[in-house]
Amino acid sequence: GQSLEQPSEVTAVEGAIVQINCTYQTSGFYGLSWYQQHDGGAPTFLSYNALDGLEETGRFSSFLSRSDSYGYLLLQELQMKDSASYFCAVRGNAGNMLTFGGGTRLMVKP
Amino acid sequence: EPEVTQTPSHQVTQMGQEVILRCVPISNHLYFYWYRQILGQKVEFLVSFYNNEISEKSEIFDDQFSVERPDGSNFTLKIRSTKLEDSAMYFCASRDVASTDTQYFGPGTRLTVL
Repeated sequence: GQSLEQPSEVTAVEGAIVQINCTYQTSGFYGLSWYQQHDGGAPTFLSYNALDGLEETGRFSSFLSRSDSYGYLLLQELQMKDSASYFCAVRGNAGNMLTFGGGTRLMVKP
Repeated sequence: EPEVTQTPSHQVTQMGQEVILRCVPISNHLYFYWYRQILGQKVEFLVSFYNNEISEKSEIFDDQFSVERPDGSNFTLKIRSTKLEDSAMYFCASRDVASTDTQYFGPGTRLTVL
């Protein structure tokens, strides 16, 4: 089976940097993705790592260590609009199924 | 920018009734998905669909659920006899052939079973 663990809630101030961690246990592993979801909205793809290392997309970066079954999402220069839930998700086999973590609710304060 | 659309945005039904949730995936995408999210919980995979057949399904996707692509644009999820615990937000997603790990989600249909 698959299980992913991430903190339930993180609070940070505008302009700061925040890191959201995700650890996973899967029977197979093809990649770790991150999705953002605003209240009442749909999940929106942010980033994907198949190999170890850092992927950078503007203010957002994602890191993966396959040997540690661990990844994180780094958000820099936080803005109020970044307040949302962030989900890590794993594709554990060659198929299509994404298994999502429980989500981390990020609150950005002025 | 192309997007996945879903109708209706909110569906209220009585327990035991059949519901059909509709999705129009992005036009050049070939892989389609349904997920659900019970209020305050994580997103859960239901089913994936490719080449006019189910390619993968989860334990949640039991005999009460079915999917169909009735024409070249729509992708539907049918729940035959709804239960109270089917109340959730249902998201449709699609992806193209090349982007294995980038799924585009629709805005969701909120299903309320009374």
